[in-house]
Amino acid sequence: KQEVTQIPAALSVPEGENLVLNCSFTDSAIYNLQWFRQDPGKGLTSLLLIQSSQREQTSGRLNASLDKSSGRSTLYIAASQPGDSATYLCAVRPISNNNDMRFGAGTRLTVKP
Amino acid sequence: DAGITQSPRHKVTETGTPVTLRCHQTENHRYMYWYRQDPGHGLRLIHYSYGVKDTDKGEVSDGYSVSRSKTEDFLLTLESATSSQTSVYFCAISGLAGVGTDTQYFGPGTRLTVL
Repeated sequence: KQEVTQIPAALSVPEGENLVLNCSFTDSAIYNLQWFRQDPGKGLTSLLLIQSSQREQTSGRLNASLDKSSGRSTLYIAASQPGDSATYLCAVRPISNNNDMRFGAGTRLTVKP
Repeated sequence: DAGITQSPRHKVTETGTPVTLRCHQTENHRYMYWYRQDPGHGLRLIHYSYGVKDTDKGEVSDGYSVSRSKTEDFLLTLESATSSQTSVYFCAISGLAGVGTDTQYFGPGTRLTVL
C-alpha cells in the first residue's frame, strides 16, 4: 500500500528565506507526483505536476524535484513571502490504480513578515 | 477556476440521519472524485466516477454511496451518518477533453458535523 509522508508537519520561517519542503513515498511505481497548496478553509490548488519520467518542474519561485527510485520529492520555494503561508500537500498517482491518488498530510508553512 | 461547486458548504446533522452532498461542475470533465480530509490523514479517496453511471470505490468507501446520473453532478450519500464521518469533504474533477486526467481541480469543500 502506498504511503506518503511529509516532514515537517509545520514550518515557520522569516520572509525572504529560501526553503525546502519534503515528501516521501513508499512505492516507486507511480505515474506522477503533484504538489498542492491549501489555504485555510479552502480547497486545494495545484502548483506543480511532475511526470514519472521527469526530474523537476518549475513555476516562478517554485521548483519541484522528483527522485522516483528513492521515493522522494522536494518543493523548493525561493525568496519566501508572507503570501506563501499555507499548507502544502504532495500526492502521488499509483500505477496500480491511477484514479486513487495518495496524499501526504501536508506541511503547514508560516512566513513571518 | 475549474467551475466546480459543492453544496451545502456546511452541515450539522445527527447520528443515524441520511445526508447527501452535491458536487457540480460546469466544464465537462470526465472524472469526478469525493475525498475526505481529516487532521493527520491528508485527503483520502471515498469514491470516484469515470463517466455517467460509472463509479468505483476508493480507500475509505464503507458507509458511503455515490451516484452520477449526469456528467455535471456527482452525489455523495451517507445512508446513516455516524460521528466518525465528521470531516471536511472535497470534490475534485479531472479529464477535460484534450487535457487528460493528470491534473485534479478541487471544489471549496463541505464541512460536515455529525452529532
